[in-house]
Amino acid sequence: DQQVKQNSPSLSVQEGRISILNCDYTNSMFDYFLWYKKYPAEGPTFLISISSIKDKNEDGRFTVFLNKSAKHLSLHIVPSQPGDSAVYFCAASSGTYKYIFGTGTRLKVLA
Amino acid sequence: EPEVTQTPSHQVTQMGQEVILRCVPISNHLYFYWYRQILGQKVEFLVSFYNNEISEKSEIFDDQFSVERPDGSNFTLKIRSTKLEDSAMYFCASSEDGRGEQFFGPGTRLTVL
Repeated sequence: DQQVKQNSPSLSVQEGRISILNCDYTNSMFDYFLWYKKYPAEGPTFLISISSIKDKNEDGRFTVFLNKSAKHLSLHIVPSQPGDSAVYFCAASSGTYKYIFGTGTRLKVLA
Repeated sequence: EPEVTQTPSHQVTQMGQEVILRCVPISNHLYFYWYRQILGQKVEFLVSFYNNEISEKSEIFDDQFSVERPDGSNFTLKIRSTKLEDSAMYFCASSEDGRGEQFFGPGTRLTVL
């Protein structure tokens, strides 16, 4: 069951540059998407969400883009900071209470 | 800032024993969830709970699992007879409504020997 995929297990970016994390999904019924950040030994922390009626949502340094025709979303972090180093998960829901999580991308921001 | 809390942070148990994992959701939230993450794998949905009943559950959530809100603040996950493969991080989450962001607790690491 790989309805939500994050094909890059890891990503390294220089401090101050843009980080782009990608997520693909297969279920066209998904209509709400979340991004979470997770540090080791902690629970996921909510970052930003987007509904399928939008194609972009911005919150400070974080922007999520949704391309419904491609079933693809991406999270942009600008500028990247060393404290952003964590595992990032996208999660999707289809009108139910249940979110399907991707496998995560480990972001390392190099000082 | 309000947060979800979970106890214990680490639970070690023998195979076949019952365990109860406890969570205190954010006080004004109405929807509660349990997820788990086996080491190195993705976060998996187990169950959602609203208005004192299960609203949705995954295929993982079989008869060995149960949830309860025994009072106005706690939300518990019980595993009746633990198996080795139940070893994982268990995360509780809560949300104000059923569609928006879910706020996660720090997790309980369950180790079944």
